[in-house]
Amino acid sequence: EDQVTQSPEALRLQEGESSSLNCSYTVSGLRGLFWYRQDPGKGPEFLFTLYSAGEEKEKERLKATLTKKESFLHITAPKPEDSATYLCAVQGYSGGSNYKLTFGKGTLLTVNP
Amino acid sequence: KAGVTQTPRYLIKTRGQQVTLSCSPISGHRSVSWYQQTPGQGLQFLFEYFSETQRNKGNFPGRFSGRQFSNSRSEMNVSTLELGDSALYLCASSSLGQVQGHGYTFGSGTRLTVV
Repeated sequence: EDQVTQSPEALRLQEGESSSLNCSYTVSGLRGLFWYRQDPGKGPEFLFTLYSAGEEKEKERLKATLTKKESFLHITAPKPEDSATYLCAVQGYSGGSNYKLTFGKGTLLTVNP
Repeated sequence: KAGVTQTPRYLIKTRGQQVTLSCSPISGHRSVSWYQQTPGQGLQFLFEYFSETQRNKGNFPGRFSGRQFSNSRSEMNVSTLELGDSALYLCASSSLGQVQGHGYTFGSGTRLTVV
């Protein structure tokens, strides 16, 4: 069974203070690892998909990286508008992993001005 | 381009009743998935449909069911509601559900409260 563990559960930063969020996973053949951002009362908003170890993707102040066991979401010089819950999810190749995402419980990021 | 539309946004039901939730995917998207989100369990997969066929189902009781229509719109139904069914129900659509991993676009969800 696919599993995703995110840490920390909550993170409070000062504006401009860079940090990283962690996503550890186990999956039977990785089809893709996804990062989403979720604001209160809204659905998750897609950020990145990573497909293989060593891959990196960037978007504004966010950079996602992937190894065979974990992914990191690096936030550089965050701003208050980056405050949200960040969700990590995996999709596998085999059997029950197909066509579904297994999510971690998320990291609640708060950026203070 | 319109996003994923879920209706209704909020719903209050009584234990024992049944409920139907609706999801209209992004135009051209043929894969629709449903997830349940609660504070304790996070997002959990319910089922996924592609071209009116259910391809995968999560570990939920048979009270949870769904279907997809020929225009890709999808509905999910929960019968004999229990207090524990209170949650945010999210629908996601994808144009590449059949191909190697791709981002799924989520709707804003239906907030179901069972009293």
